Parts: sequence; C-alpha cells; structure tokens
Amino acid sequence: ETGVTQSPTHLIKTRGQQVTLRCSSQSGHNTVSWYQQALGQGPQFIFQYYREEENGRGNFPPRFSGLQFPNYSSELNVNALELDDSALYLCASSQTGTGAQPLHFGNGTRLTVT
Amino acid sequence: AQSVTQLDSQVPVFEEAPVELRCNYSSSVSVYLFWYVQYPNQGLQLLLKYLSGSTLVKGINGFEAEFNKSQTSFHLRKPSVHISDTAEYFCAVNRRGGANNLFFGTGTRLTVIP
Repeated sequence: ETGVTQSPTHLIKTRGQQVTLRCSSQSGHNTVSWYQQALGQGPQFIFQYYREEENGRGNFPPRFSGLQFPNYSSELNVNALELDDSALYLCASSQTGTGAQPLHFGNGTRLTVT
Repeated sequence: AQSVTQLDSQVPVFEEAPVELRCNYSSSVSVYLFWYVQYPNQGLQLLLKYLSGSTLVKGINGFEAEFNKSQTSFHLRKPSVHISDTAEYFCAVNRRGGANNLFFGTGTRLTVIP
C-alpha cells in the first residue's frame, strides 16, 4: 500500500512569486485535503477536494487554489507569495470526505518565502 | 465553530514514567475527536480516534484517551513512556456530519528524558 507522497520536500521562493505543490493520495482514497502548518503551530485547514470538486475551504484567501485530478492526485497553488506563507504544507488523503474518516498525511513540503 | 485547547505546550517526563497530555474542546455541535503524533521532519500519524461508543479509546504505541463529554475533554495517556515517544502531539476535532476538515490544537511537545 503506497502512502501519501508530496513533492518537492523543500522549496525556496521570493515574495510575489507563484508556487505549485503536488500530492499523490494513498491508494483507494478519493479525498485530498491540504493544511498549512506554521512553525510552532498546529495545522490549519486550507481546502479539501472530493472527486475533483472543492468540498470545503478554510479561512484562506483566493490566491490559495487547488486541483484534483482523475487519479485523485492533487495540486496546491499559491499566487503572489507573502512572507507569512512560509510554512510546512501538508497533504492528507482519506477514503471519503466525511468527518469520521481518519486522515493519512504526507511528510509535507517546507516552503520558505524570502 | 470548533476550537481546541491543548493546555501544555511542553511536557518533559522521565522514561518509564506515566504521562497525560491534556486536550479540551469547544463546539456547538457533536464532534469526532482525534489525537495525532508528529515526529521530527515528518507528517502527522493517527494515534487514536473517538467516534462513538465506549469513552475509553485505545490507540497505537500503548496510548489511550478518554472522552469526557461533561468536561469537553479528550486527554491522552500512556502508563509508561519510551524515548521513542518524544514527538509533538496534536489533538483535533471534526464536526459530525460535516466535511473532513480537522481543527487542530497548537500541539504539545512531549520530551522523554533518559
């Protein structure tokens, strides 16, 4: 069973640039969620995709956007990067989009914005 | 809306001693409750979850937690810790019947001292 994989593992960008982060969900999972974890904080929910549709969104501005593909892999795009976007970005997959299902997390992408 | 409070940001404990990590939550609706562990430079791993039924929940690595509805708490316990338990622990809630968007606490850093 292949777990959740994320790429790249580390990334350095300049303020104002755009970035794309990628995630492959665990086999058998059709739901992908993205979280932002700032240093010393708990993860914060960005959004969730279920069968290629956005299925919930946290308190993040529209410059955070995403996609889910037919194979259930996903991308997180962030435009007009700001210094505060520096964080660990975690992708998680689950068997369904319901709240009882545990999330399976990848190891994250560490984004640094300078 | 939900909120999660982890009362202790850091908990040092000697090896083979018992430990309790405290978690209180607030929600206007019924919730599911989770504990996740995060080892350095890794994503989050599910320790245990409470969905319904028995209020004492057993998880992996010898951890257990007790759901207390009247006190809105979900404290995590282990009778004897090992060096390998050193990690960050996150309590999280999810609204019953809602999408799978976990709301996390700020975490408790458990350090096991030899």
